[in-house]
Amino acid sequence: DGGITQSPKYLFRKEGQNVTLSCEQNLNHDAMYWYRQDPGQGLRLIYYSQIVNDFQKGDIAEGYSVSREKKESFPLTVTSAQKNPTAFYLCASSTRSGGRSYEQYFGPGTRLTVT
Amino acid sequence: GESVGLHLPTLSVQEGDNSIINCAYSNSASDYFIWYKQESGKGPQFIIDIRSNMDKRQGQRVTVLLNKTVKHLSLQIAATQPGDSAVYFCAENIRSSRSNAGGTSYGKLTFGQGTILTVHP
Repeated sequence: DGGITQSPKYLFRKEGQNVTLSCEQNLNHDAMYWYRQDPGQGLRLIYYSQIVNDFQKGDIAEGYSVSREKKESFPLTVTSAQKNPTAFYLCASSTRSGGRSYEQYFGPGTRLTVT
Repeated sequence: GESVGLHLPTLSVQEGDNSIINCAYSNSASDYFIWYKQESGKGPQFIIDIRSNMDKRQGQRVTVLLNKTVKHLSLQIAATQPGDSAVYFCAENIRSSRSNAGGTSYGKLTFGQGTILTVHP
């Protein structure tokens, strides 16, 4: 059963701590993405990676870091430098094969609360 | 329709009515568009897509219309059901200038703010 998993579903941290959100996919997709979603707003791109060992900043990369050491994994670290980290974080992946070239498949999301 | 304000646009319909959700996109060079449905606390799910060389595409109970002249996209849902209640996002693919080592560009989706659809039984 292929898909994207994100864990945990809910995450609580104290201010000043770094926290890493997990994203794993078994779809054999080359590209992976991280988005942030705030209440009543759309998705904003944090980082994306088109291939292993390569990634690019999205629109709101400040205070975040990523790695792409394996094709199936794209963890996101929310650092203490991120001024307002509480949000819903979504991971996605995509492939160029097939008719829907740019469709992104989304994971279930992780809701991070920092107090 | 979608806006750049802080509050999501809302659309309320009765079960069985047709729904039309609108989206204004920003980039005239966008070549691909997707509509996603997001239920509360979940990730977005694909509904339907359309390429920029088309102006209409139909799926099961859904139709997407693309007007490139005014950069407008709409999603029509026929015979709306309570299970259709969700937030609907349009997304445009803005082709990335950077490709990977194999020369493949995956583009980068830019999402609209979303519209809340509420279907009353």
